[in-house]
Amino acid sequence: SAVISQKPSRDICQRGTSLTIQCQVDSQVTMMFWYRQQPGQSLTLIATANQGSEATYESGFVIDKFPISRPNLTFSTLTVSNMSPEDSSIYLCSVEGRRGYTNTEAFFGQGTRLTVV
Amino acid sequence: GENVEQHPSTLSVQEGDSAVIKCTYSDSASNYFPWYKQELGKRPQLIIDIRSNVGEKKDQRIAVTLNKTAKHFSLHITETQPEDSAVYFCAASRRTSGSARQLTFGSGTQLTVLP
Repeated sequence: SAVISQKPSRDICQRGTSLTIQCQVDSQVTMMFWYRQQPGQSLTLIATANQGSEATYESGFVIDKFPISRPNLTFSTLTVSNMSPEDSSIYLCSVEGRRGYTNTEAFFGQGTRLTVV
Repeated sequence: GENVEQHPSTLSVQEGDSAVIKCTYSDSASNYFPWYKQELGKRPQLIIDIRSNVGEKKDQRIAVTLNKTAKHFSLHITETQPEDSAVYFCAASRRTSGSARQLTFGSGTQLTVLP
């Protein structure tokens, strides 16, 4: 399994400011995934963070708005920049961890509930 | 890219009845199909998954079926209990070149089990 610690768990921010979300995993992983879950909606992949290279962003998400760092194999940050009320969402990090001897599954952090006012 | 559609968006059942949630996917290369349960304010948790080399998998009251030809898969919950009430998400994926799976989620189903 993988234990993921994500912080902050929630924050209320002023529009125009930035928030950095941290994700710490208890084991080394090649890829870390960042998702956005808007109120009452599904999970949408923002980007995939690889250690030692730039993150890969999905359509509709850009590095200037959501810069990502991945300094080592257990840690990543996602910054939500120049926030507007439309950025109010839950942001989750995820990794693929072992389940048993041969299987894997996606594990999620507890999420960061962001409200922009 | 992959597109996953999920139905229904809401589902209410009486305690003890069965619940069925259906998903379709578009990418024939997808080979892994997990289902997640998300309780209010909590993180998604895997409840069952199926790989493309099998057609059905069961774990106690939960089962998943996969029809690769039709590109659809379904979650079946029998003998539902109030604690089954949650949002359920299906997902589809295939391995990326870096070996980790990238998941595409369905839109979710709010299941309510009425006592």
